[in-house]
Amino acid sequence: DIVMTQSPLSLPVTPGEPASISCRSSQNLLNSNGHNYLDWYVQKPGQSPQLLIYMGSNRASGVPDRFSGSGSGIDFTLKISRVEPEDVGLYYCMQALQSFTFGQGTRLEIK
Amino acid sequence: QVQLQESGPGLVRPSETLSLTCTVSGGSISSDYWNWIRQPPGKGLEWIGYINERGATNYNPSLESRVTMSVDTSKNQFSLRLSSVTAADTAVYYCARRGAGFGPWGQGFLVTVSS
Repeated sequence: DIVMTQSPLSLPVTPGEPASISCRSSQNLLNSNGHNYLDWYVQKPGQSPQLLIYMGSNRASGVPDRFSGSGSGIDFTLKISRVEPEDVGLYYCMQALQSFTFGQGTRLEIK
Repeated sequence: QVQLQESGPGLVRPSETLSLTCTVSGGSISSDYWNWIRQPPGKGLEWIGYINERGATNYNPSLESRVTMSVDTSKNQFSLRLSSVTAADTAVYYCARRGAGFGPWGQGFLVTVSS
């Protein structure tokens, strides 16, 4: 099984400041087709998760451009260039190479 | 736009079978992959499995022995059955489409396993 490990698990951020979440996979998520099978999701309080980034670096429709995904292979990063109060929530990375497994989640809170 | 809605009994007794249905509106179920994902209270997300419009399935190996999914294209619905449930199966169950990523998701449905 592919295990996904996120850090940090808790992330207090001042509005307007950048934020970064790391995700490490126990196996290489770069497929022979050149795509990284890694998604990012956010679960805002009281809501269902929603897709932010797919295939490592592609923003989903409607996602603000302050969100970006990068990385390849086993190490990936979600960056928020300027955090806004509405960004509070649990952020999950998820591998989609072999079935689907999620990281533990990173709780972003506003300072 | 496509919307998903879970429904079913909210309380299931231990050792019995959990049954949920996801109704898809605003689009056809005849493409993409249709998934079930769950979240125990206060915990993270666990993928359960998917089905496509032809009935092809793929299940999480950790649940495979207890999971059955089915699809009814005439009703634009797909369903989940999880047998021999225990308290550890208490969770919010989400249905979700997988195209490029999981989305959209249903609002989630809490199923409690208790006698």
